[in-house]
Amino acid sequence: DIQVTQSPSTLSASVGDRVTITCRASQTISTWLAWYQQKPGKAPNLLIYKASDLQSGVPSRFSGSGSGTEFTLTISSLQPDDSATYYCQQYNSYPKTFGQGTKVEIK
Amino acid sequence: EVQLLESGGGLVQPGGSLRLSCVASGITFSTHAMSWVRQAPGKGLEWVSAIGGSGVNTFYADSVKGRFTISRDNSKNTVYLQMNGLRPEDTAVYYCAILQIPLDYWGQGTLVTVSS
Repeated sequence: DIQVTQSPSTLSASVGDRVTITCRASQTISTWLAWYQQKPGKAPNLLIYKASDLQSGVPSRFSGSGSGTEFTLTISSLQPDDSATYYCQQYNSYPKTFGQGTKVEIK
Repeated sequence: EVQLLESGGGLVQPGGSLRLSCVASGITFSTHAMSWVRQAPGKGLEWVSAIGGSGVNTFYADSVKGRFTISRDNSKNTVYLQMNGLRPEDTAVYYCAILQIPLDYWGQGTLVTVSS
């Protein structure tokens, strides 16, 4: 099974800051990686798929990069509405494992 | 509009069984693989199981293999998760989802609590 390791587990940043979250897969997954945002009490919301493609309706301040085993999610200018937990998920093969999550807090 | 509506959650004793259901609308159900994802209280997301559109191919996380069974009835637009041998660590909100990325739909979740 492919393991997915996400870091950091929490981060605190100010409005307007550039924020980066990293995801590492235990074996190569090409670009079969997605990023989700989840707010308390809600189902996850897909932000990025195929490592760098922006889901329709998602603000352009969100971007993704990477391939193989190393991936990043970047928020170019953090907004108050971005306070949430972010997860990566590999969908190269079953089981479609999630990362442990990164909680983003606004200072 | 695509809607996924889960039901069947509740309180069950350790070792007990529960069957979750998820009814889909707004999609051609039989053409989509269906998944279950769970989230323990205060914890992260855990992919649990998936089933192909025809129902032939099924997949499980190691943590539930041999205890949970996923199935579907395409005539009823419904996917099921039969959960046997439940353990306290199975306590979670269980989401039904279509994870054919970028096609991505989730239900509202149903809470399963395993406790004596």
